[in-house]
Amino acid sequence: QKEVEQDPGPLSVPEGAIVSLNCTYSNSAFQYFMWYRQYSRKGPELLMYTYSSGNKEDGRFTAQVDKSSKYISLFIRDSQPSDSATYLCAMSEVGNTGKLIFGQGTTLQVKP
Amino acid sequence: NAGVMQNPRHLVRRRGQEARLRCSPMKGHSHVYWYRQLPEEGLKFMVYLQKENIIDESGMPKERFSAEFPKEGPSILRIQQVVRGDSAAYFCASSPPRPSYEQYFGPGTRLTVT
Repeated sequence: QKEVEQDPGPLSVPEGAIVSLNCTYSNSAFQYFMWYRQYSRKGPELLMYTYSSGNKEDGRFTAQVDKSSKYISLFIRDSQPSDSATYLCAMSEVGNTGKLIFGQGTTLQVKP
Repeated sequence: NAGVMQNPRHLVRRRGQEARLRCSPMKGHSHVYWYRQLPEEGLKFMVYLQKENIIDESGMPKERFSAEFPKEGPSILRIQQVVRGDSAAYFCASSPPRPSYEQYFGPGTRLTVT
């Protein structure tokens, strides 16, 4: 079993839809949770960064962490064609060396 | 403020040759991480370095791979005697001293072994 599970998709939605992207994990020691966006043949871009449980909002993006369920989510409101990319969740333990454990990534396509 | 820089962006090597990948961290960042992304797979941690120190190399293959981050100059990931299975995208990330989880990635080097 992988430490971090993420449905690879692809996920296709119409422009303006609310998108929900999710990851589950098995390591209860994970305390830091990140979401990255990666366009084709580019490097990952850090979108959101949260510590422990709770919600964090940044513009059209909301990240949620539910540690009791070992489940994290990224919501994208009013999705745009420019949001079409692969979204990667990543996690790390407290006191760890900063090593990030990534999910496989979910490919999102927003159709105009 | 320039981001993380990597070069070359594309590298082609024949089996048995050496590959050298370079990474310059963001200004003000002293921590460097290397990750590998195989086709259809997520990013896999390889090594974490600070200036002149390897902090965590738990993700590095035991043979042929080495990394350094000298006092002056970029970080280098070296792969000796490359094999076809080494073909992948190699990404470098950097972070400030704290938090080390807030990592910013470069554009990657795509290595092709023929």
